[in-house]
Amino acid sequence: DSGVTQTPKHLITATGQRVTLRCSPRSGDLSVYWYQQSLDQGLQFLIQYYNGEERAKGNILERFSAQQFPDLHSELNLSSLELGDSALYFCASSGTANEQFFGPGTRLTVL
Amino acid sequence: GENVEQHPSTLSVQEGDSAVIKCTYSDSASNYFPWYKQELGKRPQLIIDIRSNVGEKKDQRIAVTLNKTAKHFSLHITETQPEDSAVYFCAASMNGNKLVFGAGTILRVKS
Repeated sequence: DSGVTQTPKHLITATGQRVTLRCSPRSGDLSVYWYQQSLDQGLQFLIQYYNGEERAKGNILERFSAQQFPDLHSELNLSSLELGDSALYFCASSGTANEQFFGPGTRLTVL
Repeated sequence: GENVEQHPSTLSVQEGDSAVIKCTYSDSASNYFPWYKQELGKRPQLIIDIRSNVGEKKDQRIAVTLNKTAKHFSLHITETQPEDSAVYFCAASMNGNKLVFGAGTILRVKS
């Protein structure tokens, strides 16, 4: 167990819908990262937050957004969902060292 | 931006043999290189990492080497066991920022 929690574990929804994925970092970690894992694209960085502020953006679509709250949990919002958005979404957290610890992931299926 | 290449894509070894996975990176500013093990449907699990001021690091049966000049790093697993079977990812990062992952290596240990 990495100490990073994610909910829900599974999400099945239809095209055009909107979903919210939630992540709680390890106790004391200020940084939260979101990654998408799909068969054809591998593990891709989406976005990073540090202590409530957006720090870096990767291959995140405009239909996707995220935020980190004062209690340091983070949410990833995915809207106007397409079939190609089906993937595993992981969040990771890190503290003062560089190590990133991953949560169990949310498996999103868009039908 | 950073690009990480990983080889081989699949690797089959006999139980007890050694396994070596190699990665190259493109951005000389990268200074942190973790390795993750991922079992089917599970989270990536950090197994070992190395920083740019170190050439080699060992943890029991696992070792990682780094050649900064050539911009490549390798994972070595000795005395492989069936439970080592998984997908292994290398990654590169600068100063604890986003991880850029290799495409992964499927390791099969045959007993």
